[in-house]
Parts: sequence; C-alpha cells; structure tokens
Amino acid sequence: GENVEQHPSTLSVQEGDSAVIKCTYSDSASNYFPWYKQELGKGPQLIIDIRSNVGEKKDQRIAVTLNKTAKHFSLHITETQPEDSAVYFCAVRNYGQNFVFGPGTRLSVLP
Amino acid sequence: GAVVSQHPSRVICKSGTSVKIECRSLDFQATTMFWYRQFPKQSLMLMATSNEGSKATYEQGVEKDKFLINHASLTLSTLTVTSAHPEDSSFYICSASDAGGYGNTIYFGEGSWLTVV
Repeated sequence: GENVEQHPSTLSVQEGDSAVIKCTYSDSASNYFPWYKQELGKGPQLIIDIRSNVGEKKDQRIAVTLNKTAKHFSLHITETQPEDSAVYFCAVRNYGQNFVFGPGTRLSVLP
Repeated sequence: GAVVSQHPSRVICKSGTSVKIECRSLDFQATTMFWYRQFPKQSLMLMATSNEGSKATYEQGVEKDKFLINHASLTLSTLTVTSAHPEDSSFYICSASDAGGYGNTIYFGEGSWLTVV
C-alpha cells in the first residue's frame, strides 16, 4: 500500500522567514496531494492542494510543488507569521483509494 | 471551502455507556464520509468509510460492533461508541467528500473530544 513520509517532524522558524515541509510517497499512481493545517484541538483544515497534472500551485503566501518523477511534493510558506504555527499534514490519494496521511510536521513560528 | 460540522465538540461519558457523535455536511451532499481517530501528537488514523445508504467499511483492527457507523442521509453520518471504556478516550474526527468520495477532496469536521471516565 501507499507509504507517506513527511519531513521534518518539527520545524522552528523566525517570523518572516520561509518554511518548507516535504512529503514523499511510494505509489506512482497517486494523483492528488492536499495539505492540511491542524491547530490544537481542532480538525484539519485544507490549505492547498495539487493534482498530478500540475507542477506548482500558489495561493498568496502558500505554495505547493510536485515532482511526480521523484514522488515528492512540498509545502512552502513564505513570510511566516505566528498564526502559521500548527501541525501540517500532507496526504496522498490514488483515485479510488482512501487518503493516506503523513505523520505531520509541527511548525513553530517564533516572534 | 465546504463546511463539515461535528457535534458534540466535547463529551464525557461513564464507562459502559454509549455515546453518539454526529457529522454533518452543511453546504454539499456527502456521498462518502470518513471517520478518524487521533491520539495526541499523532497523525490521523482512518477507522471506517461510510457511503450513504450502505454499510460502512471498517479498517483492519477496528471493531465494527463497538464503533457503529450510520450514514442514513447525504448530509449526516453518526459514530456511536458502544460500551465505552477509558481506552476509547480520544479525538474523533469526521470528514466528508462529494463526487463519490474518491474523485474529489475531503473536508474535515472540527473534531470531538471523547473522555470516558
């Protein structure tokens, strides 16, 4: 089955700096890759996603890049703010299958 | 984005009793809903997938008789934890998808904290 790894597991950055989180997956047939942000005690919130026919997608300070050949995709957050502090999960889905989530990355943005 | 509402957000129940958690899609029809369990500082663990009008599909290791899932309408799925024990205390999260569940993204509810005393 699909195996999803996420790195780093924890990340601390200074406010205003950029943060990058990387996910790798094993199933080359996977075709949809969302990123979720989870704040303490709340459900995950979709922040950005990308499909296999696109290499990059950007939404204001957040971007996702996908390398299908290497089977990895990354979340990029620029100009980080304290409210970006949360746990971020990547997910991978092959059409017709359930989502498989990464183990999560705890991002701390230091003021 | 689509809105998924989960209720209650927190519940405390006595050991041996049953508790029901509701998951509603507020602005779309959810043909498929997923139930997850999350332990502190861990990722989401899929418990079961429910399709409207049919029996839920449980993941390996999840007791179907203990975690009853009903998806009676296109906007509501319920998870009932029967004969709850302290080890069932956890954060339970639902998610919902339209378009048959596998052709589109999923949106999560706010989660429900269950404490069994």
